[in-house]
Amino acid sequence: GAGVSQSPRYKVAKRGQDVALRCDPISGHVSLFWYQQALGQGPEFLTYFQNEAQLDKSGLPSDRFFAERPEGSVSTLKIQRTQQEDSAVYLCASSLAQSRSSYNSPLHFGNGTRLTVT
Amino acid sequence: EDKVVQSPLSLVVHEGDTVTLNCSYEVTNFRSLLWYKQEKKAPTFLFMLTSSGIEKKSGRLSSILDKKELSSILNITATQTGDSAIYLCAVEDLEGSQGNLIFGKGTKLSVKP
Repeated sequence: GAGVSQSPRYKVAKRGQDVALRCDPISGHVSLFWYQQALGQGPEFLTYFQNEAQLDKSGLPSDRFFAERPEGSVSTLKIQRTQQEDSAVYLCASSLAQSRSSYNSPLHFGNGTRLTVT
Repeated sequence: EDKVVQSPLSLVVHEGDTVTLNCSYEVTNFRSLLWYKQEKKAPTFLFMLTSSGIEKKSGRLSSILDKKELSSILNITATQTGDSAIYLCAVEDLEGSQGNLIFGKGTKLSVKP
């Protein structure tokens, strides 16, 4: 497709449920990022992939968060045993950059998945 | 401690007004500063600034970086209702483990007809 596609657009989960959020980056984009955006805040970094390799997962808030990109294209962010504080918009972004730097290769964001944990 | 600070946090203007949005930053190893416009969901890229004093322009939008003052401004002239959005500033920091881009909280711009 022309842009970064994320699904589902909205997800409501009961506390304790597991959720899986999907990201289809722009075809050919090497770098893929996940961000978490709480209400009224800017996006905060969660994790970074270069092709299938997860090079940085330092932003994942707990071991309940897990991300993968097994074939270097589609990525899934999984949250186990969801908590209310996990409620946020989860944004995926991709770029052509061959390294993690956005220099000359800005990020293209998807529309995000709004997760609400009740 | 916020490394990227945007001001004002929100702004209401009327169509035709000119607005200036501010972004100041404090990072260890600055590489670039980016502006994004966020309507509804996905931030869309506006500008990337790496050199001080060189204005980047796109239609009614322009932006400039001041590395001495560690800041940038985004100007929008002759505002239209379609400019209503959250404008995000992000700084690329080559140090640290929190990923390349550090975002500010954004400025919410509302343009009234």
